[in-house]
Amino acid sequence: EPEVTQTPSHQVTQMGQEVILRCVPISNHLYFYWYRQILGQKVEFLVSFYNNEISEKSEIFDDQFSVERPDGSNFTLKIRSTKLEDSAMYFCASSEEGSSYNSPLHFGNGTRLTVT
Amino acid sequence: EDQVTQSPEALRLQEGESSSLNCSYTVSGLRGLFWYRQDPGKGPEFLFTLYSAGEEKEKERLKATLTKKESFLHITAPKPEDSATYLCAVQANTGFQKLVFGTGTRLLVSP
Repeated sequence: EPEVTQTPSHQVTQMGQEVILRCVPISNHLYFYWYRQILGQKVEFLVSFYNNEISEKSEIFDDQFSVERPDGSNFTLKIRSTKLEDSAMYFCASSEEGSSYNSPLHFGNGTRLTVT
Repeated sequence: EDQVTQSPEALRLQEGESSSLNCSYTVSGLRGLFWYRQDPGKGPEFLFTLYSAGEEKEKERLKATLTKKESFLHITAPKPEDSATYLCAVQANTGFQKLVFGTGTRLLVSP
């Protein structure tokens, strides 16, 4: 069964550094998402992306975050200047359609980001 | 603000001991309610989508039901491999790209 692939599985960075988290969504999916889960807390929506632009974002997704689909297969999340509170598991997801009618989100296994 | 509350936080069952997990929600017009399973260190794995009150979905030992205020995930005769965290999420009619998750129920099934 096709799956969402994320790399790296674990990233350690120093505060203030830039990180790029990478994702390969399922090939025929058109909508892409980033969620995050701080240890022991809920999975939280960050951003959705369709047709090469952001379609919706949360309050968490401020100017330090950006997303890009640099080619036909990859989808990236960039955090410009990491803070300690950015430490979390970041999940990429994709779906065939945005409304999710018969088109649920499929999640990758996440990148654990540790900011020291 | 859309909210999802799941109970209990944790549940320990003996193999074969059936039980139910609860998901209460408040949302500004429900577009869909989703159940996911999450194993340690993994991403959420899709189980079910429910759209309207009265709807039921089944998959192996799991059955999900929906009312206007809550959803239940019934686990019949669970096995140790059913041990996982079960997440409930809602999608509203407004801002429909976003899922709002609960904190989940950690289920442990002992042999």
